[in-house]
Amino acid sequence: DAGVIQSPRHEVTEMGQEVTLRCKPISGHNSLFWYRQTMMRGLELLIYFNNNVPIDDSGMPEDRFSAKMPNASFSTLKIQPSEPRDSAVYFCATQSLEQHLHFGNGTRLTVT
Amino acid sequence: AQSVAQPEDQVNVAEGNPLTVKCTYSVSGNPYLFWYVQYPNRGLQFLLKYITGDNLVKGSYGFEAEFNKSQTSFHLKKPSALVSDSALYFCAVRPRPSGNTPLVFGKGTRLSVIA
Repeated sequence: DAGVIQSPRHEVTEMGQEVTLRCKPISGHNSLFWYRQTMMRGLELLIYFNNNVPIDDSGMPEDRFSAKMPNASFSTLKIQPSEPRDSAVYFCATQSLEQHLHFGNGTRLTVT
Repeated sequence: AQSVAQPEDQVNVAEGNPLTVKCTYSVSGNPYLFWYVQYPNRGLQFLLKYITGDNLVKGSYGFEAEFNKSQTSFHLKKPSALVSDSALYFCAVRPRPSGNTPLVFGKGTRLSVIA
């Protein structure tokens, strides 16, 4: 089991550019969560999916953020246009039947 | 609303000494309780959980936690700290019945074990 796979590990982009973060969940996990972590705000839940359906996106900070889960093996988080305040580490996590989360190693986003 | 409090931003302990990282929660009913650890440049890793049964839960790397319903606490403990235990620790709660509702995380406690 390779765990939750996120790509890229690091992304550096200029303000105004589109950024797409990718997540491959653990096979068989039916819930997927996107988190953002910063020093100032800690760990924030952005959005989560159950069975590929978005359930709660109230944590998405602005309309510039969007997330999709077209199938059970892939999810994306997109920021368009990106801004310097979006700089953070973005985590994808999936949930097993045992009720605990499995996290990917994150994507460190830097927007200059 | 559910909430988790980790009252200490930082805990320092000497290697070989016992360690405690505190966590209290506010949620209706009996929740599921979790501890996660985060090492630098890594995602959070599951350490242990309380679902039901014995109030003392044993987890990975020699860690344990005790569910105390009257004090609504779930403190993380280890009898003898190692330098390699230095990391960021998160307590989390999910109310039951839970379905697939998200965990509510505390803000984290940074543990520093000094040789």
